[in-house]
Amino acid sequence: EVQLVESGGGLVQPGGSLRLSCVASGFRFSSYWMHWVRQAPGKGLVWVSLISSDGSNINYADSVKGRFTISRDNAKNTLNLQMSSLRAEDTAVYYCARDYWGIADYWGQGTLVTVSS
Amino acid sequence: QLVLTQSPSASASLGASVKLTCTLTSGHSSNVIAWHQQQPEKGPRYLMRFNSDGSHTKGDGIPDRFSGSSSGAERYLTISSLQSEDEADYYCQTWGTGNQGVFGGGTKLTVL
Repeated sequence: EVQLVESGGGLVQPGGSLRLSCVASGFRFSSYWMHWVRQAPGKGLVWVSLISSDGSNINYADSVKGRFTISRDNAKNTLNLQMSSLRAEDTAVYYCARDYWGIADYWGQGTLVTVSS
Repeated sequence: QLVLTQSPSASASLGASVKLTCTLTSGHSSNVIAWHQQQPEKGPRYLMRFNSDGSHTKGDGIPDRFSGSSSGAERYLTISSLQSEDEADYYCQTWGTGNQGVFGGGTKLTVL
């Protein structure tokens, strides 16, 4: 059974940093590209970032480019999202998702990030 | 720029059918799209991938009541024999130009 479990969310002040992780199980993690997607309270899904299976190909949404860094550790079946220079508008539930040709085909349960003073 | 447009809301009666629409920006009518369901207070769930040849690939355990179709730039998700647990937000998704993912704004489905 495919499982994706996010962690690392919490309350952070504007301008601060936070690192999210997503541990994968139930599939060969090293063979799949992976997404981060976020959802602000009461709003829709917004794509954040995508990383290739070996980490060599990375894409970001314009809204996070230069502030967020996606990475992965295939030995630990872990996907990461390093977030810096956080803003109030980054407040959201962050989901990791497995990629299948540009589409998310499995989702985690999400971790909440709140940016507030 | 690729945009996916969805109606904000839809409603249908218990046991009836409903057809949700996702419209791709002009010039992108051949894009593969996916449909995702998000029940209240839950994470999203992949329903199906709808391919440009008209075929679709469903996620694990997705019942036959859920089906996809298309016409030109429009992609449809049809849910038949509506059940109370189908009340949820439904999102379409694709991979856009500029190497960025794209989601539609979502449709909130109410089962009456």
